[in-house]
Amino acid sequence: GIQVEQSPPDLILQEGANSTLRCNFSDSVNNLQWFHQNPWGQLINLFYIPSGTKQNGRLSATTVATERYSLLYISSSQTTDSGVYFCAVEPNDMRFGAGTRLTVKP
Amino acid sequence: DTEVTQTPKHLVMGMTNKKSLKCEQHMGHRAMYWYKQKAKKPPELMFVYSYEKLSINESVPSRFSPECPNSSLLNLHLHALQPEDSALYLCASSYREYSNQPQHFGDGTRLSIL
Repeated sequence: GIQVEQSPPDLILQEGANSTLRCNFSDSVNNLQWFHQNPWGQLINLFYIPSGTKQNGRLSATTVATERYSLLYISSSQTTDSGVYFCAVEPNDMRFGAGTRLTVKP
Repeated sequence: DTEVTQTPKHLVMGMTNKKSLKCEQHMGHRAMYWYKQKAKKPPELMFVYSYEKLSINESVPSRFSPECPNSSLLNLHLHALQPEDSALYLCASSYREYSNQPQHFGDGTRLSIL
């Protein structure tokens, strides 16, 4: 089956810093989503981005489908950005990467 | 607020109990999904329903029994669970299976097996 690799596995930032999270996948996909799972377990949909670039406030994402990777940018990080960020891809059914655990310190 | 509603939010049950998890959406989606998430792990697909019919069963033990009574409702019936089944159970829906549309997730049911 498809392999989904996220990097880095853990990231610690000072409030106000910027960061880039990466997702590599091993096969063509029809769907790619970025999620933020907060400490209460809620899985929040950040972007649906099978290709191209999107921006939403301090967050933006880019997927280069031909090269099988996606990037999530977080600018001016806040403590509320802490949690786990998952990339999920759907060649047939949804497969999640292992996630990047982000901690933003005040 | 999430558009996919899951109840209950928390459930504690013994290994001999029978309970059910409920998931509801009113977005007109015809694909609905159950995922299981263990602590510090990503969600893993359990079942997919497409047009109220079971489309995918990812080799889930029979002590988990899904049901889709109508296009808005998805249940997961639990019986004789084991302590290792303690996890966060997430429901999701999408416009259609394989539709190139995003999946929308509920807030989950946190299940503890005593």
